[in-house]
Amino acid sequence: EVQLVESGGDLVQPGGSLRLSCAASGITFSFYWMSWVRQAPGKGLEWVANINQDGSDKYYVDSVKGRFTISRDNANNSLYLQMNSLRVEDTAVYYCTREDWGSQEYWGQGTLVTVSS
Amino acid sequence: QAGLTQPPSVSKGLRQTATLTCTGNSNNVGNQGAAWLQQHQGHPPKLLSYRNNDRPSGISERFSASRSGNIASLTITGLQPEDEADYYCSAWDRSLRAYVFGTGTKVTVL
Repeated sequence: EVQLVESGGDLVQPGGSLRLSCAASGITFSFYWMSWVRQAPGKGLEWVANINQDGSDKYYVDSVKGRFTISRDNANNSLYLQMNSLRVEDTAVYYCTREDWGSQEYWGQGTLVTVSS
Repeated sequence: QAGLTQPPSVSKGLRQTATLTCTGNSNNVGNQGAAWLQQHQGHPPKLLSYRNNDRPSGISERFSASRSGNIASLTITGLQPEDEADYYCSAWDRSLRAYVFGTGTKVTVL
């Protein structure tokens, strides 16, 4: 059974930093592109970033470029999102997803990031 | 970054058929199609259809996806109460080098 478990969400002040983690099990983690997708309270889905199998290729939504960094540790089946210079508008549930066939195939339960003073 | 356009809501009767649309452009939907996801309140999204219109294992045959040009569609036949949810489309945009999501459609089963 595929399991993606996010952690690291918290309440942080504007300008602060946070590192999200996603622990994967039940999949051959190193075979897949992985993504982070977020959802602000009461809003729709927004893709944030993704990373290829060996971490050499990364893409980001414009609004987080230069502030967020996606990374992975294939030895430990883990995905990360380092978030710096956080803004109020970054407040959202952040989901870790496994991609396949150009689709977000599996989703974790999400972790809540709240940016507020 | 521009997203994909979906109607905000669709309401249909029990056991009727609902067709949801997702409008993009030649860089996203028109290029490689769109995936479809279902999200019940308080839960993470679930993939209903890959961008090639295939269903993942375990997804009911009542859900079928198609595409015509820059418009992707999801058809739900024999609507059931449990189909009440938000539905999103998504596609990779080759120009933006980013995934874009649709604005979401809330399906109500009357």
